Amino acid sequence: EVQLVESGGGLVQPGGSLRLSCAASGFDLSAYPMSWVRQAPGKGLEWVSAIVGSGGTTYSADSVKGRFTISRDNSKNTLHLQVNSLRAEDTAVYYCAKDSLNRFGGYFDYWGQGTLVTVSS
Amino acid sequence: DIQMTQSPSTLSASVGDRVTITCRASQSISSWLAWYQQKPGKAPNLLIYKASSLESGVPSRFSGSGSGTEFSLTISSLQPDDFATYYCQQYKTFPYTFGQGTKLEIK
Repeated sequence: EVQLVESGGGLVQPGGSLRLSCAASGFDLSAYPMSWVRQAPGKGLEWVSAIVGSGGTTYSADSVKGRFTISRDNSKNTLHLQVNSLRAEDTAVYYCAKDSLNRFGGYFDYWGQGTLVTVSS
Repeated sequence: DIQMTQSPSTLSASVGDRVTITCRASQSISSWLAWYQQKPGKAPNLLIYKASSLESGVPSRFSGSGSGTEFSLTISSLQPDDFATYYCQQYKTFPYTFGQGTKLEIK
């Protein structure tokens, strides 16, 4: 059974940093691209960043470029999102999501339960 | 970026009704479109991929159609468990983008 479990969220001051993690099980993490998708309170879904299975290629939304970095440790079956220079508008539930294909260009067939990041002083 | 626009934003319906949600892309995405259902406090759940393919385990009352820029999600006979928020998403190109969501409410 595929499982994705996020952790690392919390309350952080503006300008602060966090490292979000997503522990994967039930499939070969190295074979699939993974993404982070966020959802601000009461708002819709926003794709944040994606990384290819090998970790060599990444894409990010303009809203987070230069501040967020996606990475993966396939040996530990874990996906990460380093979030720096946080702003109030980054407050959201952050979900990790598995790509359906073994290359970019698939839909998200599995999602984690999310981890809440709150940016406030 | 490809903009995805859903309509309506809110839809009130009754159990047993047939409902349709529309999603429009700002440029052609062929059939690279997915539909998700989300309930409060939960992660999104995949319903439809490639515009019209039903994900395994999803009830057959859900169906998708369309290609290019116009897409729709239809629920043939609403069940109590279907009252939720629905999102379309294009995965043709980065940045992947979602529609703003359609909240399906009980009338």
